[in-house]
Amino acid sequence: GAGVSQSPSNKVTEKGKDVELRCDPISGHTALYWYRQSLGQGLEFLIYFQGNSAPDKSGLPSDRFSAERTGGSVSTLTIQRTQQEDSAVYLCASSLSGLATGELFFGEGSRLTVL
Amino acid sequence: GENVEQHPSTLSVQEGDSAVIKCTYSDSASNYFPWYKQELGKGPQLIIDIRSNVGEKKDQRIAVTLNKTAKHFSLHITETQPEDSAVYFCAAKGGKAAGNKLTFGGGTRVLVKP
Repeated sequence: GAGVSQSPSNKVTEKGKDVELRCDPISGHTALYWYRQSLGQGLEFLIYFQGNSAPDKSGLPSDRFSAERTGGSVSTLTIQRTQQEDSAVYLCASSLSGLATGELFFGEGSRLTVL
Repeated sequence: GENVEQHPSTLSVQEGDSAVIKCTYSDSASNYFPWYKQELGKGPQLIIDIRSNVGEKKDQRIAVTLNKTAKHFSLHITETQPEDSAVYFCAAKGGKAAGNKLTFGGGTRVLVKP
């Protein structure tokens, strides 16, 4: 399909392990966002990529979290030394050119469970 | 930074009745206010948005109002139907200092009873 694709859809890991979550944005979208949704909570901003500009990392909760976007397309969110409080749904969204044009298109998310 | 509060957290209505969700924001420079609907197991989807130069916007059974002075905005759903059952999120885009990102409210779980 032509939507935002995220993988894996579900990930169960043990505390202390590293995990990588992948996002394939809609083709041609220059802006890419990662949000975190804890159970029953709102969406917490993590990081934003826009074209070749330096990413806005202001929402990353600790230095265990990092993200990259290669070639202006696919993005990977990495969580090192996972903790139980990292358990959440991680949502990726893309946009044609950031919020100037409005709509964010979200993927279905990657549900992370840290045991 | 921007802070968005959303009420109520849950809302149960009878089919055909109206539903109203209210949000307040903190950054007076905020200029864009979208509403997203999230169905179970899906990502949020934009249903309506409003910009700060407009006080009200309507799209069929949904409408959004914005009061910039009071820094609050509301979503109104009329003639509710079972397929309106979902979690609804308000959001605000802060001013320049806040960057090009949305701050979301905590969500409202809406249940439309047939």
